[in-house]
Amino acid sequence: EAQVTQNPRYLITVTGKKLTVTCSQNMNHEYMSWYRQDPGLGLRQIYYSMNVEVTDKGDVPEGYKVSRKEKRNFPLILESPSPNQTSLYFCASSRQSTVSGANVLTFGAGSRLTVL
Amino acid sequence: AQKVTQAQTEISVVEKEDVTLDCVYETRDTTYYLFWYKQPPSGELVFLIRRNSFDEQNEISGRYSWNFQKSTSSFNFTITASQVVDSAVYFCALGSGNTGKLIFGQGTTLQVKP
Repeated sequence: EAQVTQNPRYLITVTGKKLTVTCSQNMNHEYMSWYRQDPGLGLRQIYYSMNVEVTDKGDVPEGYKVSRKEKRNFPLILESPSPNQTSLYFCASSRQSTVSGANVLTFGAGSRLTVL
Repeated sequence: AQKVTQAQTEISVVEKEDVTLDCVYETRDTTYYLFWYKQPPSGELVFLIRRNSFDEQNEISGRYSWNFQKSTSSFNFTITASQVVDSAVYFCALGSGNTGKLIFGQGTTLQVKP
């Protein structure tokens, strides 16, 4: 089954304790991205990657890191989590469209993170 | 600036009623795409539709229909004869530029009561 898999699905952690949310897709997609969802704000892009070893900042990158060493994996790293990073996180992937704005994103199931 | 506004935060209807979810967007790009995604209570995001800026034909898929009007920068979504299973958060989104980014609206929570 074609899918984007995120882990963990739920996590409660404490301020400053480094954590990684993994993301893997089995569709051979070039494009991957991370979003966070907050009430009243919709989803906002954190980072994206056009292909292996190519990553760039989205709208809200502060406090996050990513890497893209393999095509299928795109982990999100919180080096020193803070309470304002409590959120619902989504990983997404798509085939890289040559047409501006046309990417249809396939989303993972989401990872709910709470930072105390 | 690019922006998507879903002014309706929550809508509650009774089963079999028709309901329209509003979406207004802002962009200076001439080529762009508009999307609707559904987020059921289980939390995943499900793609519903994508339309490009050059195609203003209305689209119908079963009980779902979409009305794209460039003149008012709107891309509204109508559910006919709503069902309890339609209860979800619905997001409208705008895609343009070369970053692959989607700009999402705030979402509209639809509750369909039996």
